[in-house]
Amino acid sequence: NAGVTQTPKFRILKIGQSMTLQCTQDMNHNYMYWYRQDPGMGLKLIYYSVGAGITDKGEVPNGYNVSRSTTEDFPLRLELAAPSQTSVYFCASSYGQDTQYFGPGTRLTVL
Amino acid sequence: DAKTTQPPSMDCAEGRAANLPCNHSTISGNEYVYWYRQIHSQGPQYIIHGLKNNETNEMASLIITEDRKSSTLILPHATLRDTAVYYCIVRVRGQTGANNLFFGTGTRLTVIP
Repeated sequence: NAGVTQTPKFRILKIGQSMTLQCTQDMNHNYMYWYRQDPGMGLKLIYYSVGAGITDKGEVPNGYNVSRSTTEDFPLRLELAAPSQTSVYFCASSYGQDTQYFGPGTRLTVL
Repeated sequence: DAKTTQPPSMDCAEGRAANLPCNHSTISGNEYVYWYRQIHSQGPQYIIHGLKNNETNEMASLIITEDRKSSTLILPHATLRDTAVYYCIVRVRGQTGANNLFFGTGTRLTVIP
């Protein structure tokens, strides 16, 4: 199993551009999550999903959108990139309330 | 808001036991204590979790006090590869039953040769 994979690893955006961060898991987990981590800080939950077709907001959802059309994929969309969205983004998955497994992260810079 | 309190940093000599404390004085009866670590800029890695009893696995041991208001993660023989930020997390159940994890700033453990 590859576990949780994320693409791209790095990206630089200009203010106002949009992009989608991809996340895929091959563990058949029903729960998936998006976190962001600012420099020197802990992780904050952006959005999560408890199954295909079901998503909900986390602690810091503003400026982001998600969708969950399949069990495996949970993309995160930035519509109008802002410098405040410069961060490292981590995707995670779990089987129900069980342990969360994290991907390697996407480092995003907005200039 | 953070529900746990950890020291910002600790040092440990290589080969010795590393004992990382965590306070969670407001923990409720059905909340678990989880430990994760993050090596450099990698994704967080699960270490161990527990509810009331002490737990041990191949990576570490978790000691939870009887009143459950604090816990200690023990790495029995620390190596240089254990240098990382360690997060103590109390698991909160959301309205939809989601497994929300609240990460604080953790403890930066440095293993010294």
